[in-house]
Amino acid sequence: GQSLEQPSEVTAVEGAIVQINCTYQTSGFYGLSWYQQHDGGAPTFLSYNALDGLEETGRFSSFLSRSDSYGYLLLQELQMKDSASYFCGRTIGASGTYKYIFGTGTRLKVLA
Amino acid sequence: DGGITQSPKYLFRKEGQNVTLSCEQNLNHDAMYWYRQDPGQGLRLIYYSQIVNDFQKGDIAEGYSVSREKKESFPLTVTSAQKNPTAFYLCASSVGQGSEPQHFGDGTRLSIL
Repeated sequence: GQSLEQPSEVTAVEGAIVQINCTYQTSGFYGLSWYQQHDGGAPTFLSYNALDGLEETGRFSSFLSRSDSYGYLLLQELQMKDSASYFCGRTIGASGTYKYIFGTGTRLKVLA
Repeated sequence: DGGITQSPKYLFRKEGQNVTLSCEQNLNHDAMYWYRQDPGQGLRLIYYSQIVNDFQKGDIAEGYSVSREKKESFPLTVTSAQKNPTAFYLCASSVGQGSEPQHFGDGTRLSIL
């Protein structure tokens, strides 16, 4: 099917490291993006992996393995403000019929 | 500053009424999208457009309609055929079809009176 699966909820303490996984069934060469959404707000773009491997942006890193249809977002030195929902997203389809889909979302709770 | 503007922020619909949600972008993006988000849920694709005067149905298009007469604008009409329209509606755009990332507007919250 055309779905991106994520764990529904993850809980961690301030200062910790947490990994949020995203697995998908539709193959293809498309990359994977990650978005953050705070309660009541709109999603904002965090990171994009066009190719396999690790991308680092400050405290956030993202990894993609297209052969394994798997990616993850790694959040380090967790802060209270990181409490939010995180979505992976990617393009599916072929030229002329592309569309964009999002994962089921992971709610991250950061505890003091 | 470039961005996506959605209006209104809050909207109330009476039974049997059609309502239109506005989405305007000045990012010069070709592709635009509409998503619906229910509380605690993910984003579901309603309609998308890769180019002016062309659009495609997403996964939950029933009860909705769109138009793309200008590159900058992609309004969504929630018709009376949509029996459960209460949700958070998000408009997004990207440079072109198949490109990333998606840029989002601030959303419109639609409720039933």
